[in-house]
Parts: sequence; C-alpha cells; structure tokens
Amino acid sequence: LAKTTQPISMDSYEGQEVNITCSHNNIATNDYITWYQQFPSQGPRFIIQGYKTKVTNEVASLFIPADRKSSTLSLPRVSLSDTAVYYCLVGDMVNDMRFGAGTRLTVKP
Amino acid sequence: NAGVTQTPKFQVLKTGQSMTLQCAQDMNHNSMYWYRQDPGMGLRLIYYSASEGTTDKGEVPNGYNVSRLNKREFSLRLESAAPSQTSVYFCASSQDRAQPQHFGDGTRLSIL
Repeated sequence: LAKTTQPISMDSYEGQEVNITCSHNNIATNDYITWYQQFPSQGPRFIIQGYKTKVTNEVASLFIPADRKSSTLSLPRVSLSDTAVYYCLVGDMVNDMRFGAGTRLTVKP
Repeated sequence: NAGVTQTPKFQVLKTGQSMTLQCAQDMNHNSMYWYRQDPGMGLRLIYYSASEGTTDKGEVPNGYNVSRLNKREFSLRLESAAPSQTSVYFCASSQDRAQPQHFGDGTRLSIL
C-alpha cells in the first residue's frame, strides 16, 4: 500500500493560489494519484486524477514530478467556498487506497 | 439527477439492536462501496462490491455485512450494534474499481 503524507492544515486568503503537496515515496508503477474534496456534512467529491506530469481541469491542476514520489494539487484563486478537507489517495484499485486525515484548508476573507 | 442516495440520514440505536443502511445509485455504475468516517479522520473502507453479485471485505469489515441487491442497490447491515460503530457512514459508486468514486451525503449513526 502506498502511504501518503499531507500537511494537516493550511490557511489562505481569497484570491490566492493554493498548493497542497502530498508525499507518496513508495508509489507503485500502476498507481494513480487521486484527490478528493470534502465539505462538512457531505461526502467527498472527486477533484482530479493523474498518473504523471500535469493534469488540468476546470477546478484544479495536478502536478506530478518525473519520480512520482510526490504530487501537488493547485487551486487557482481560491474563494471562501473552497474551505474544505482535501484528501490525496494513491493506488490502482479502490481496496488499495486509503483516505488519510487529509489537509484542512481554511480560506480567509 | 440524484447520484448516490443514502437512507436514513440519521439514526440512533441502542446497543445490540440491528439496522440496515440503504444505498442506491442511478448512474449505472458497476462498483459500490461502504465507508465509515470517525471524527477528525479520513474514510475507512468497510466493504465493496466490484460488480453485481460480488462483495469483498475492506479495511474494517468486522461487525458488518453487506448485500448487493442488484446493480443499483448496496446495503450495509449491523447485526448487533455496538457503541464503537457510532460513526458517519458513506456509500459510494464508480464505473469500475479504478475509476473515481461518487459519494452520497452520509448516514449519521449513533449507538447508545
């Protein structure tokens, strides 16, 4: 199982770019990197998934270096509504993936 | 467009009582999952069903049973509830086991 390490919490201000880094030193060849967002009293919501280099969608970007031992979720110009917990998961099948404690992002006005 | 629907949203049980949590998805997904989330922690996989007719244990299956009733529905049963099972339970589904999951809004279960 690929273990992930993320910061417990981060603070930011509205309009700033936020980068959350996840370390996964023992990632396997077939593993994908997936990020979820969770608001209070709701289930997690899929944000983005990638295997290598860079992936971008309408919500976020995911940067993965060549060695794939870490990944960075980038949220452009955050707003108050981006305050949530963000989870990084690594694996190729759901039973290999673990939700850690995640990173609690607080966006301030 | 309902996605993943869980019932009930809240439930209080006494120790030893039994309870079935219901989950249904309308996205024609093959795979379905049950997680529990304890305060301040991430989600832990209880059971999953990779496809209709199959179920497998996850990280914390003890004290639970599941039934994949059909492609749409996946239920979680507590035969004899214990206070340690007080948690928020989330159901999820995905097209297959390697695809991103779609989650319901959870069932908040308290066992006294």
